[in-house]
Amino acid sequence: QVRLVEAGGGLVQPGTSLTLSCAASGFPTTYAVHWVRQTPGKGLEWVAVVSFGGVDYYYADSVKGRFTIFRDNSKNTVYLEMNSLRPEDTALYYCARGNGPPLGRGRCDYWGQGTLVTVSS
Amino acid sequence: QSVLTQPPSVSAAPGQRVTISCSGSSSNIGENYVSWYQRLPRTAPKLLIFDNDNRPSGIPDRFSGSRSGTSATLAITGLQPGDEADYYCGAWDSSLSALVFGGGTELTVL
Repeated sequence: QVRLVEAGGGLVQPGTSLTLSCAASGFPTTYAVHWVRQTPGKGLEWVAVVSFGGVDYYYADSVKGRFTIFRDNSKNTVYLEMNSLRPEDTALYYCARGNGPPLGRGRCDYWGQGTLVTVSS
Repeated sequence: QSVLTQPPSVSAAPGQRVTISCSGSSSNIGENYVSWYQRLPRTAPKLLIFDNDNRPSGIPDRFSGSRSGTSATLAITGLQPGDEADYYCGAWDSSLSALVFGGGTELTVL
């Protein structure tokens, strides 16, 4: 049974950092993993993706240079390190398993339940 | 402003058929597969359609997808009250090197 469990969300002040984790189970580590966020009252916004090997990664322009996605396959866990947080980063953050072309990152076929990040002073 | 364009809302009566459009460009829908996601109230998104017109196991055949050129469509037949949700299209964008979503369409079953 495929399962993804996010953790690490919370209330933080602007300019500070936070690291989210996504514990995966029920499938091998040969899958990419995405982070996608949902802002209050708005739609889905893709954040980043890491390849199964952790070598390839891509970011949305809105987080490039501030967020880092990485994975520890020995722990079946993917992380999202978020620096220089802004109020507009406030969202429910989901991790999702990547699948399909190109190179396993074309869609999100299983999603976690999300972890809430609130950036406010 | 989302890269993929969807209508903000659609509505129809129970038992009716509804379609949701998703318009993109040559770098996303034009050359990569389209997926559709359903987000029921207070739940995580769920994959509804993948590779333009395929259903994951467990998704009823009332849901179908199609793609033509740089646009895609989700059709839902035999509408049920439980279908009330937000629906999103998504595709990889080769120019942006990013997964892009539509702005979402709120479906109301009258």
